[in-house]
Amino acid sequence: QSVLTQPPSVSGAPGQRVTISCTGSSSNIGAGYDVHWYQQLPGTAPKLLIYGNNNRPSGVPDRFSGSKSGASASLAITGLQAEDEADYYCQSYDSSLSGSVFGSGTKVTVL
Amino acid sequence: QVQLQESGPGLVKSSQTLSLTCTVSGASISSGRYYWSWIRQPAGKGLEWIGRIYTSGSTNYNPSLKSRVTISVDMSKNQFSLKLSSVTAADTAVYYCARDLCSRDSCYWGDYFDYWGQGNLVTVSS
Repeated sequence: QSVLTQPPSVSGAPGQRVTISCTGSSSNIGAGYDVHWYQQLPGTAPKLLIYGNNNRPSGVPDRFSGSKSGASASLAITGLQAEDEADYYCQSYDSSLSGSVFGSGTKVTVL
Repeated sequence: QVQLQESGPGLVKSSQTLSLTCTVSGASISSGRYYWSWIRQPAGKGLEWIGRIYTSGSTNYNPSLKSRVTISVDMSKNQFSLKLSSVTAADTAVYYCARDLCSRDSCYWGDYFDYWGQGNLVTVSS
């Protein structure tokens, strides 16, 4: 049972916009801790996609954006492309666990 | 270019100790700017943070694994290691090492993982 809740799957046609939610609680996202997002392509290690709620590392397309409000956060992918088909995980810090926690993961399917 | 590479046995017998090492290149473990973490992922499941170590040797562990986990660092080899004792089939997973840094230049806001190793599949057999 993951501490952060994500929808199991989202899908969209090429070019569309999809969003992935990440819901936490008062001991993690709701406490003000930053949210980070990772993309995991099949058979590979996770890759940092968004850090500090809404910052993109160098090389990440601006089609990916993050936001945070209250105890929840969201990842948006605009102009969906076939290469975006992957699993996406949110991550934050949890004060009650004194460590990092991950979301349950969301599989993005490009129709 | 920062690179991390896990190494260790791919098969461990039940009740024994799993041992993995992460070799870091392109960055110095002793620089003091980063933590160094272990994360695992059972097949078809999500990610679980195991624990981290700082340059000073101070550690933080996931409470669910704390009694069985030891993370250590060898700065002379630019490596850090994971030991997980009394393993069971539930410990079968891909184990990743990752560089762990504070968000917004302060860990007050939490931390994240910017570089990951490729992963090392460890299977626990009976």
